[in-house]
Amino acid sequence: DSGVTQTPKHLITATGQRVTLRCSPRSGDLSVYWYQQSLDQGLQFLIQYYNGEERAKGNILERFSAQQFPDLHSELNLSSLELGDSALYFCASSVRSGGDTQYFGPGTRLTVL
Amino acid sequence: AQSVTQPDIHITVSEGASLELRCNYSYGATPYLFWYVQSPGQGLQLLLKYFSGDTLVQGIKGFEAEFKRSQSSFNLRKPSVHWSDAAEYFCDVGVNFGNEKLTFGTGTRLTIIP
Repeated sequence: DSGVTQTPKHLITATGQRVTLRCSPRSGDLSVYWYQQSLDQGLQFLIQYYNGEERAKGNILERFSAQQFPDLHSELNLSSLELGDSALYFCASSVRSGGDTQYFGPGTRLTVL
Repeated sequence: AQSVTQPDIHITVSEGASLELRCNYSYGATPYLFWYVQSPGQGLQLLLKYFSGDTLVQGIKGFEAEFKRSQSSFNLRKPSVHWSDAAEYFCDVGVNFGNEKLTFGTGTRLTIIP
């Protein structure tokens, strides 16, 4: 158990809908990272927050957004969903940033029908 | 910007045989280097990491990796694999605080045959 929790475990929704994925980092970790893992794209970094502020952006679509709250939990919002958004979404956390070890949550499997 | 290459998409080895998974990086300075493992249906778990110092790093589950600056490599090794080692392995490059691009390799899928 990494100490990172993600909810829900599974999510099935329809195209055009909007969903919110939630992540609670390990106690004491200030950074939260979001990744998308799909069969055709592999593991893709989406975005990172550090202590409530956006720190780094990767291959995140404009339809996706995220935030980190004062209690350090984070939410990833996916809107106008398309079939291609079906993937595993992982959250990870680390103490600080940059080269720190990332601890991964179990992931949320999103299926868009 | 840094990049990571894992040249082998899929490797098959026999149980008990030795293993080496390749990882090459491109970065202007010495990066932080990590190997993660992902078992089927699971999240990623850190195997080992290199920050500085001894270039041979020991990790969990009997894995080790060696940082070779001259070859820009950080290959993962295990002298004798077990069937439970079947998984996907990711090499990761991290850089210093303040330059936050995060890069994982494309992964190497390891299959173990009896």
